[in-house]
Amino acid sequence: GAVVSQHPSRVICKSGTSVKIECRSLDFQATTMFWYRQFPKKSLMLMATSNEGSKATYEQGVEKDKFLINHASLTLSTLTVTSAHPEDSSFYICSATQGAEQFFGPGTRLTVL
Amino acid sequence: GNSVTQMEGPVTLSEEAFLTINCTYTATGYPSLFWYVQYPGEGLQLLLKATKADDKGSNKGFEATYRKETTSFHLEKGSVQVSDSAVYFCALSGGSYIPTFGRGTSLIVHP
Repeated sequence: GAVVSQHPSRVICKSGTSVKIECRSLDFQATTMFWYRQFPKKSLMLMATSNEGSKATYEQGVEKDKFLINHASLTLSTLTVTSAHPEDSSFYICSATQGAEQFFGPGTRLTVL
Repeated sequence: GNSVTQMEGPVTLSEEAFLTINCTYTATGYPSLFWYVQYPGEGLQLLLKATKADDKGSNKGFEATYRKETTSFHLEKGSVQVSDSAVYFCALSGGSYIPTFGRGTSLIVHP
């Protein structure tokens, strides 16, 4: 099946810094990518829909100025957590759509100290 | 809006026991249905899928049948193994549907 990569897989940062997470579709073009957040022992929470060449669509309650999404090409979407705080610590997962199917990245574990 | 409801976990079984994890959905039209598995510390992997009513998805001994009349997509396996211990997510997607996930069901299989 199609492959989606995420980088980095794990990041630890200090409170107040910004962190960028990349999501790449390696062998297909994805006009739409999704960003999810997963809390421990919880389900996936859709944060936003990333559309190539246009602004992302954020879900209710997700701060667009804090979670900046840029879908610069058909194979790359980035999520930047700005001015990170400990409560932003979580597992962030992206997915890319090919037809009806979602292909997930392996996730990025963010820890904010 | 669309929604997916899964049975609460954790589900705890002995090895070789029969597994059922219930999943029902609410959606207009005909979404595609999926089961994903998440092993500890990893991302989600597609386990199986079905794209239309009465389709049966199967993989690694797991099966699920798309039942439109009951809006269900229950996951089953005849004989679970310790290595099947993971969190299982039911989801719907496709076309204009924003991917929607159930809350996940943790499966714990004891030797």
